[in-house]
Amino acid sequence: AQRVTQVQSTGSSQWGEVTLDCSYETSEYSYLILWYRQLFSGEMVFLIYQPSFDTQNQRSGHYSVVFQKSFKSISLVISASQPEDSGTYFCALSELDQGGRALIFGTGTTVSVSP
Amino acid sequence: EAAVTQSPRSKVAVTGGKVTLSCHQTNNHDYMYWYRQDTGHGLRLIHYSYVADSTEKGDIPDGYKASRPSQENFSLILELASLSQTAVYFCASSGGYSGNTLYFGEGSRLIVV
Repeated sequence: AQRVTQVQSTGSSQWGEVTLDCSYETSEYSYLILWYRQLFSGEMVFLIYQPSFDTQNQRSGHYSVVFQKSFKSISLVISASQPEDSGTYFCALSELDQGGRALIFGTGTTVSVSP
Repeated sequence: EAAVTQSPRSKVAVTGGKVTLSCHQTNNHDYMYWYRQDTGHGLRLIHYSYVADSTEKGDIPDGYKASRPSQENFSLILELASLSQTAVYFCASSGGYSGNTLYFGEGSRLIVV
């Protein structure tokens, strides 16, 4: 069974860096972990993804991930966070061998960055 | 210009009435999805489709039907709307492997009274 867990209801921050945690369950060998941000308007914005077969942590702009495959854990790191980074961040699992290629979402972590 | 558009953006429906949510994509994607989001929760998959004239059940299909008349269009149908179906509904499309990124519409807020 697949499951995605985001335990934090709010993201942690230090020195402008925000770290959001996500854990997942899957029996598949090939999968992706994706991160989306939901704006306060409701719009869902794709941020970054990590393939299971790639040992290198992915980076995209000021987003990066820390992928711990053996623990089935991944963290999204927002460096130099700004107030415009505020929103709810969702972690999602995509199992590549599944025909539907649908995403399984976590419950989200809300981030509020003060000026 | 938005590549996935949903209509209506908001709707108030009466219990027992029929509701149709429409989705149109210009991404030339094969896959389309309908998710629902309840306040304070993540997205849950209702129905999806990977080819025109075919739909598949997702994780929570009960009370919903879907229709994919063409590659560009995907509808979600609530034949008998119920109070528990009050939620925000998101349509999304996805192409081939490359990241398996889903591109979302703006969402449709449905309130059933």
